[in-house]
Parts: sequence; C-alpha cells; structure tokens
Amino acid sequence: RKEVEQDPGPFNVPEGATVAFNCTYSNSASQSFFWYRQDCRKEPKLLMSVYSSGNEDGRFTAQLNRASQYISLLIRDSKLSDSATYLCVVNPGGYNKLIFGAGTRLAVHP
Amino acid sequence: NAGVTQTPKFQVLKTGQSMTLQCAQDMNHEYMSWYRQDPGMGLRLIHYSVGAGITDQGEVPNGYNVSRSTTEDFPLRLLSAAPSQTSVYFCASTSGGLNYGYTFGSGTRLTVV
Repeated sequence: RKEVEQDPGPFNVPEGATVAFNCTYSNSASQSFFWYRQDCRKEPKLLMSVYSSGNEDGRFTAQLNRASQYISLLIRDSKLSDSATYLCVVNPGGYNKLIFGAGTRLAVHP
Repeated sequence: NAGVTQTPKFQVLKTGQSMTLQCAQDMNHEYMSWYRQDPGMGLRLIHYSVGAGITDQGEVPNGYNVSRSTTEDFPLRLLSAAPSQTSVYFCASTSGGLNYGYTFGSGTRLTVV
C-alpha cells in the first residue's frame, strides 16, 4: 500500500464548478499535511497547509480527518488557471521528510 | 531573493558517466532535500540534510551521493549514470517546523541514454 494515495483523475470540470479531491495516508502518526500545486513541467508549489480544524484560503478549503487518515481539498468557483496537478503531501514526523502522493490532475474548461 | 536555484535545467548523459546536479538556496534554510519525480509515482526522496555536515538517505538513495559543506549548497552526485536514473530532479529547502512547507527549485530534467 502506498503511504499517500490519491485518485489520479483527470477531473475535467467547467469553469465555475466545485471540485473535491481526496487523499488517504497510511501512517497514523503523521504530523503535518499539505496540498501542493504543480503546473505542467514546473516545480511543486505550496498551496496550503492542512490543519485539524480545517482551513480555508479564498476559494480553497482543506480538511483533515485524523481518525480516518483522510485529507481533502475543495475548490469552489473553478477558474481556468486552476488547471494543474494537485499533490497531497504528508510529513510523517522527524526531519521534515515529506511523502508525496502521485497527484490528481485537474482540467478546467470554458 | 532567488530562493532555490538548480543547475543545469536539462542534461543528457551516457550510461556510466558521472555528474553533479547543483542546488543552492539563499534563505538560510537548515533542511534541504533531493527528490526525483517519475510519471505516475509522485516525488520520491533521494537524500536529505538537516544542516551543514549532516546528511542521510531517503527512500531511493542508491546510485546517488550528497554532501552539505555549507548551509547554502546541497549538490547531488550521480556516480555512474544508468537509464533508470532518467527523471526530473527537484531540490527543496525549508526552515523547519512541522507546518512549514518546502520551497522547490525549478528542477533538472535528466536523460540517460
């Protein structure tokens, strides 16, 4: 079983749609969680950290369920510029060794 | 600030050749890491460093060496290139702290023929 699993997609949605990505992780002792965004042939960039209480940044909402070892990302009012691959990332603890999911690809169309 | 700078951006090697991928950061970050990214597999940790003079192996260290003589620089050496090392390599750094994400360099696309 992979340490961090994501649905690879692609998710093809129209502009203005709401889309949700899910991620599960295997290490129950994991300590911190992130969503990164990666554009085609570019480096990953931090989108947002994920906190136990849930957190929101504009159109983006991240949720963490430690009991189910599940992380989600909700994007509201999708824009063409949201088209990218979204990486679920977990820090299992110690020395900031991040574990990356393989990513979920999002394509937003007009 | 330049952030994390990687060179070269592209490289083609012949099997058996060696080379060094350069990585430098100007943010005074203690933690630095090298990842490789292959299609469908996500980023995998090769080596990491928690400070100058301290390095350790990640998930896929075989065929690679690192050193950390200064806080700023973290070069990755390929000892004897193999086609299986064809990949995109990313260097990343962070100041530490559980909720601090990494800043990535723009990557090196390596092809071994």
